[in-house]
Amino acid sequence: GAGVSQSPSNKVTEKGKDVELRCDPISGHTALYWYRQRLGQGLEFLIYFQGNSAPDKSGLPSDRFSAERTGESVSTLTIQRTQQEDSAVYLCASSSPGQGEAFFGQGTRLTVV
Amino acid sequence: GENVEQHPSTLSVQEGDSAVIKCTYSDSASNYFPWYKQELGKGPQLIIDIRSNVGEKKDQRIAVTLNKTAKHFSLHITETQPEDSAVYFCAATDRLGADGLTFGKGTHLIIQP
Repeated sequence: GAGVSQSPSNKVTEKGKDVELRCDPISGHTALYWYRQRLGQGLEFLIYFQGNSAPDKSGLPSDRFSAERTGESVSTLTIQRTQQEDSAVYLCASSSPGQGEAFFGQGTRLTVV
Repeated sequence: GENVEQHPSTLSVQEGDSAVIKCTYSDSASNYFPWYKQELGKGPQLIIDIRSNVGEKKDQRIAVTLNKTAKHFSLHITETQPEDSAVYFCAATDRLGADGLTFGKGTHLIIQP
């Protein structure tokens, strides 16, 4: 595609519900990243996929968070039993291996009420 | 791991004046330093980057300087314009690619007309 696409753009969910966020990376980009951005804060690394290698999950804040990626395409970030502190913008980015630039999607704004 | 500090958190300058945003990093192995611009409601976008084998890089009104000894790097914007208003993030990594990026907390740049 022309850029990184994320869906939905906005999601409001009740506390305790599960949510699934989707990311379509740029075609051909083998690297895919998820970041969390709380209001007025910087980018918090969550997870990184590179090709068929085991993902780097070191940034996931709790076992309620998980992510999957099918081959070198779509990725889904799942948050189980959502809490109010999960409210944030979740950003996905992709890049080519060895290339410094990460291309970001527009993000999914998650609000837990 | 890497720790990136960014200052100031908010910067207000008159249109036409220069703006400088500074970052420090902790890991001497870091060798790639990108700067991202995030406009309201959008994902961050790379505006300039620098690798550790150079001390300065310029692209029109934007320049980045790197001091490896002191472990700090700065973004300079000259002749600021209203469209420069945004949040700017610095980042650092010790990898060739975009993986492993550690971001600063961001600087909200406000251009006063």
